[in-house]
Amino acid sequence: KQEVTQIPAALSVPEGENLVLNCSFTDSAIYNLQWFRQDPGKGLTSLLLIQSSQREQTSGRLNASLDKSSGRSTLYIAASQPGDSATYLCAYHAGGTSYGKLTFGQGTILTVHP
Amino acid sequence: NAGVMQNPRHLVRRRGQEARLRCSPMKGHSHVYWYRQLPEEGLKFMVYLQKENIIDESGMPKERFSAEFPKEGPSILRIQQVVRGDSAAYFCASSPAGLEKLFFGSGTQLSVL
Repeated sequence: KQEVTQIPAALSVPEGENLVLNCSFTDSAIYNLQWFRQDPGKGLTSLLLIQSSQREQTSGRLNASLDKSSGRSTLYIAASQPGDSATYLCAYHAGGTSYGKLTFGQGTILTVHP
Repeated sequence: NAGVMQNPRHLVRRRGQEARLRCSPMKGHSHVYWYRQLPEEGLKFMVYLQKENIIDESGMPKERFSAEFPKEGPSILRIQQVVRGDSAAYFCASSPAGLEKLFFGSGTQLSVL
């Protein structure tokens, strides 16, 4: 069974801290991996997408890395802000399908307090 | 360019009733996906459709659930004879092509009384 595990399940930090969210997956033949943000009562916003041939992607204060051999991805958030508070989900697209059938982790609930 | 539009945002049904969830993909997107998020669980893939075709329904329960994406109009996820276990958030996503990034709607929260 293909699974995605996200650690920690919840994280509370003071504003300004740099933090790392972890995602591990059992399927080594992934096509790409995405990090999403989910705000309460809202949909998912795609933050970063890393193709299997890439090692990392950056957008502003966010940096995501991918290590296919170890089945791990990390999302690094620099200088966290209260507005970063949300649930962060990682999801991978398994190789072998030509469409967006994603397998999601259960998420990390992040709270950044002033 | 409006995002993926889902309606209603909240839907309350009694056991045995039918639920119809609608999804209008982003303009120019012909690929639609439905995902379900049960309480305390992650999002699970249900079904993938292109215009007038169901491509992959491997994640959809075999009974009571159906989906369509007609040539004109929104995609519809239909749940017949709802039960309490169907209570969940149902998300629709669209993409311009098969392996492009998915854009998600805000979801429909279904509550079955």
